[in-house]
Amino acid sequence: QSVLTQPPSASGTPGQRVTISCSGSSSNIGSNYLYWYQQFPGTAPKLLIYRNNQRPSGVPDRFSGSKSGTSASLAISGLRSEDEADYYCATWDDSLSGPVFGGGTKLTVL
Amino acid sequence: QVQLQESGPGLVKPSETLSLTCTVSGGSISSYYWSWIRQPAGKGLEWIGRISTSGSTNHNPSLKSRVTMSVDTSKNQISLKLNSVTAADTAVYFCARVGSGWYVGAFDIWGQGTMVTVSS
Repeated sequence: QSVLTQPPSASGTPGQRVTISCSGSSSNIGSNYLYWYQQFPGTAPKLLIYRNNQRPSGVPDRFSGSKSGTSASLAISGLRSEDEADYYCATWDDSLSGPVFGGGTKLTVL
Repeated sequence: QVQLQESGPGLVKPSETLSLTCTVSGGSISSYYWSWIRQPAGKGLEWIGRISTSGSTNHNPSLKSRVTMSVDTSKNQISLKLNSVTAADTAVYFCARVGSGWYVGAFDIWGQGTMVTVSS
Protein backbone atom coordinates (compact mmCIF):
# COMPACT_ATOMS: atom_id res chain seq x y z
CA GLN A 1 0.00 0.00 0.00
CA SER A 2 1.69 3.18 -1.24
CA VAL A 3 1.52 6.44 0.69
CA LEU A 4 0.63 8.29 -2.51
CA THR A 5 -2.33 7.07 -4.57
CA GLN A 6 -2.18 6.78 -8.34
CA PRO A 7 -4.51 5.00 -10.75
CA PRO A 8 -2.89 1.71 -11.78
CA SER A 9 -3.52 2.36 -15.45
CA ALA A 10 -4.28 5.06 -17.97
CA SER A 11 -4.63 5.05 -21.71
CA GLY A 12 -5.08 7.26 -24.72
CA THR A 13 -4.75 7.37 -28.45
CA PRO A 14 -1.98 9.16 -30.32
CA GLY A 15 -2.45 12.90 -30.23
CA GLN A 16 -4.73 12.84 -27.23
CA ARG A 17 -4.15 14.53 -23.90
CA VAL A 18 -4.05 12.26 -20.87
CA THR A 19 -3.68 13.06 -17.20
CA ILE A 20 -2.42 10.93 -14.34
CA SER A 21 -3.43 11.84 -10.82
CA CYS A 22 -1.53 11.51 -7.57
CA SER A 23 -3.16 12.07 -4.21
CA GLY A 24 -1.65 12.27 -0.78
CA SER A 25 -2.01 14.21 2.45
CA SER A 26 -0.97 17.38 4.21
CA SER A 27 2.21 15.73 5.48
CA ASN A 28 3.48 14.94 2.00
CA ILE A 29 2.04 16.51 -1.15
CA GLY A 30 0.39 19.28 0.84
CA SER A 31 3.69 20.64 2.12
CA ASN A 32 6.44 19.51 -0.21
CA TYR A 33 7.53 19.54 -3.82
CA LEU A 34 6.10 16.89 -6.11
CA TYR A 35 8.18 14.94 -8.61
CA TRP A 36 7.29 12.68 -11.51
CA TYR A 37 9.38 9.85 -12.90
CA GLN A 38 9.04 7.92 -16.17
CA GLN A 39 10.16 4.31 -16.34
CA PHE A 40 10.38 2.03 -19.35
CA PRO A 41 10.47 -1.74 -18.82
CA GLY A 42 13.84 -2.99 -17.69
CA THR A 43 15.30 0.47 -17.22
CA ALA A 44 15.82 2.91 -14.38
CA PRO A 45 13.30 5.66 -13.69
CA LYS A 46 14.03 9.04 -15.21
CA LEU A 47 13.18 12.38 -13.66
CA LEU A 48 10.36 13.91 -15.68
CA ILE A 49 9.05 16.76 -13.51
CA TYR A 50 10.58 18.45 -10.46
CA ARG A 51 9.37 21.20 -8.15
CA ASN A 52 5.74 20.38 -9.06
CA ASN A 53 5.86 21.70 -12.60
CA GLN A 54 9.44 22.11 -13.84
CA ARG A 55 10.89 20.05 -16.65
CA PRO A 56 14.55 19.02 -16.71
CA SER A 57 16.45 19.84 -19.84
CA GLY A 58 15.50 17.46 -22.63
CA VAL A 59 11.99 16.66 -21.43
CA PRO A 60 9.47 17.70 -24.08
CA ASP A 61 7.02 20.44 -23.18
CA ARG A 62 4.23 17.95 -23.94
CA PHE A 63 4.75 16.88 -20.32
CA SER A 64 3.44 19.18 -17.62
CA GLY A 65 2.87 18.90 -13.91
CA SER A 66 0.58 20.66 -11.51
CA LYS A 67 -0.20 20.54 -7.82
CA SER A 68 -3.10 21.76 -5.77
CA GLY A 69 -3.48 21.09 -2.08
CA THR A 70 -2.85 17.42 -1.42
CA SER A 71 -3.18 16.31 -5.02
CA ALA A 72 -1.10 16.56 -8.15
CA SER A 73 -1.35 15.56 -11.75
CA LEU A 74 0.82 14.85 -14.73
CA ALA A 75 -0.53 15.82 -18.12
CA ILE A 76 0.79 14.52 -21.40
CA SER A 77 -0.46 16.29 -24.49
CA GLY A 78 -0.03 15.16 -28.08
CA LEU A 79 0.34 11.58 -26.87
CA ARG A 80 2.92 9.53 -28.75
CA SER A 81 3.57 5.81 -28.83
CA GLU A 82 6.95 6.33 -27.16
CA ASP A 83 5.20 7.75 -24.10
CA GLU A 84 4.01 4.26 -23.21
CA ALA A 85 5.69 3.68 -19.85
CA ASP A 86 5.13 3.58 -16.11
CA TYR A 87 4.82 6.91 -14.34
CA TYR A 88 5.50 7.47 -10.64
CA CYS A 89 4.83 10.48 -8.46
CA ALA A 90 7.02 11.12 -5.44
CA THR A 91 7.45 13.63 -2.67
CA TRP A 92 8.87 14.02 0.81
CA ASP A 93 6.74 12.91 3.72
CA ASP A 94 7.21 14.93 6.90
CA SER A 95 5.72 12.20 9.10
CA LEU A 96 7.98 9.48 7.74
CA SER A 97 10.95 11.83 7.34
CA GLY A 98 11.69 10.39 3.95
CA PRO A 99 10.56 10.36 0.34
CA VAL A 100 7.50 8.38 -0.67
CA PHE A 101 6.31 7.15 -4.03
CA GLY A 102 2.97 6.49 -5.63
CA GLY A 103 2.21 2.97 -6.74
CA GLY A 104 2.78 3.89 -10.37
CA THR A 105 0.53 4.26 -13.38
CA LYS A 106 1.00 2.18 -16.50
CA LEU A 107 0.24 4.33 -19.51
CA THR A 108 -0.88 2.53 -22.64
CA VAL A 109 -1.01 4.25 -26.01
CA LEU A 110 -3.77 2.57 -27.96
CA GLN B 1 28.28 13.36 -17.32
CA VAL B 2 27.75 11.74 -13.95
CA GLN B 3 27.00 8.03 -14.11
CA LEU B 4 26.12 5.54 -11.37
CA GLN B 5 26.80 1.82 -11.45
CA GLU B 6 25.52 -0.65 -8.89
CA SER B 7 27.39 -3.86 -8.22
CA GLY B 8 27.16 -6.81 -5.90
CA PRO B 9 26.02 -10.42 -5.62
CA GLY B 10 22.88 -11.27 -7.52
CA LEU B 11 21.95 -14.07 -5.14
CA VAL B 12 21.80 -13.90 -1.36
CA LYS B 13 20.67 -16.63 1.02
CA PRO B 14 17.83 -15.99 3.47
CA SER B 15 18.95 -14.56 6.82
CA GLU B 16 22.25 -13.39 5.32
CA THR B 17 23.38 -9.86 4.47
CA LEU B 18 22.84 -8.18 1.13
CA SER B 19 25.77 -5.96 0.18
CA LEU B 20 25.79 -3.56 -2.74
CA THR B 21 28.10 -0.83 -3.97
CA CYS B 22 27.31 2.15 -6.14
CA THR B 23 30.25 3.65 -8.00
CA VAL B 24 29.94 7.22 -9.20
CA SER B 25 31.87 8.26 -12.28
CA GLY B 26 32.13 11.49 -14.21
CA GLY B 27 31.86 13.68 -11.15
CA SER B 28 32.44 13.96 -7.43
CA ILE B 29 30.12 12.45 -4.87
CA SER B 30 30.79 15.33 -2.51
CA SER B 31 28.06 17.76 -1.49
CA TYR B 32 25.19 15.46 -2.41
CA TYR B 33 22.91 12.99 -0.72
CA TRP B 34 22.81 9.54 -2.30
CA SER B 35 19.87 7.20 -2.00
CA TRP B 36 19.10 3.55 -2.42
CA ILE B 37 15.73 2.63 -3.90
CA ARG B 38 14.38 -0.81 -4.71
CA GLN B 39 11.69 -2.25 -6.91
CA PRO B 40 10.30 -5.79 -6.63
CA ALA B 41 9.40 -7.34 -9.94
CA GLY B 42 6.20 -5.85 -11.32
CA LYS B 43 5.81 -3.52 -8.36
CA GLY B 44 6.49 0.08 -7.41
CA LEU B 45 9.46 1.94 -6.05
CA GLU B 46 10.46 1.85 -2.39
CA TRP B 47 12.96 4.25 -0.83
CA ILE B 48 15.49 2.42 1.33
CA GLY B 49 17.59 5.25 2.68
CA ARG B 50 20.03 8.05 1.96
CA ILE B 51 23.50 9.08 2.99
CA SER B 52 25.41 12.31 2.70
CA THR B 53 29.09 12.46 1.96
CA SER B 54 29.62 13.51 5.56
CA GLY B 55 28.09 10.20 6.61
CA SER B 56 24.72 11.44 7.81
CA THR B 57 22.04 8.81 7.12
CA ASN B 58 18.28 8.38 7.08
CA HIS B 59 16.44 5.20 6.26
CA ASN B 60 12.93 3.96 5.67
CA PRO B 61 11.37 3.11 9.06
CA SER B 62 9.73 0.06 7.48
CA LEU B 63 13.16 -1.54 7.19
CA LYS B 64 13.78 -0.98 10.86
CA SER B 65 17.43 -1.25 11.73
CA ARG B 66 18.40 -3.74 9.01
CA VAL B 67 19.95 -1.03 6.84
CA THR B 68 23.53 0.21 6.99
CA MET B 69 24.90 2.71 4.49
CA SER B 70 28.40 4.05 4.11
CA VAL B 71 30.34 6.32 1.80
CA ASP B 72 33.92 6.18 0.56
CA THR B 73 34.78 9.52 -0.96
CA SER B 74 38.25 8.34 -2.00
CA LYS B 75 36.67 5.72 -4.23
CA ASN B 76 33.56 7.73 -5.14
CA GLN B 77 31.45 4.89 -3.81
CA ILE B 78 28.32 4.46 -1.71
CA SER B 79 27.52 1.14 -0.09
CA LEU B 80 24.40 -0.55 1.19
CA LYS B 81 24.08 -3.45 3.59
CA LEU B 82 20.73 -5.02 4.37
CA ASN B 83 20.86 -7.78 6.94
CA SER B 84 18.56 -10.67 7.82
CA VAL B 85 17.16 -10.76 4.30
CA THR B 86 14.07 -12.70 3.31
CA ALA B 87 12.39 -13.41 0.00
CA ALA B 88 10.55 -10.10 0.41
CA ASP B 89 13.87 -8.33 -0.16
CA THR B 90 14.13 -9.74 -3.69
CA ALA B 91 14.13 -6.73 -5.99
CA VAL B 92 16.05 -4.53 -8.39
CA TYR B 93 18.15 -2.17 -6.32
CA PHE B 94 18.92 1.30 -7.65
CA CYS B 95 21.25 3.95 -6.37
CA ALA B 96 20.29 7.51 -7.17
CA ARG B 97 21.65 10.98 -6.61
CA VAL B 98 19.50 13.39 -4.67
CA GLY B 99 19.59 16.67 -6.53
CA SER B 100 20.54 19.99 -5.05
CA GLY B 101 19.74 23.58 -5.90
CA TRP B 102 16.80 23.71 -8.28
CA TYR B 103 16.70 19.92 -8.24
CA VAL B 104 16.64 19.69 -4.46
CA GLY B 105 14.86 16.55 -3.34
CA ALA B 106 14.67 15.04 -6.81
CA PHE B 107 16.34 11.79 -7.72
CA ASP B 108 18.01 13.37 -10.70
CA ILE B 109 20.49 10.67 -11.69
CA TRP B 110 19.94 6.93 -11.39
CA GLY B 111 22.06 3.86 -11.79
CA GLN B 112 20.85 1.13 -14.11
CA GLY B 113 19.91 -1.06 -11.17
CA THR B 114 21.02 -4.49 -10.08
CA MET B 115 18.78 -7.49 -9.50
CA VAL B 116 19.14 -9.23 -6.15
CA THR B 117 17.38 -12.51 -5.48
CA VAL B 118 17.04 -13.91 -1.97
CA SER B 119 16.89 -17.68 -2.18
CA SER B 120 18.56 -20.72 -0.70
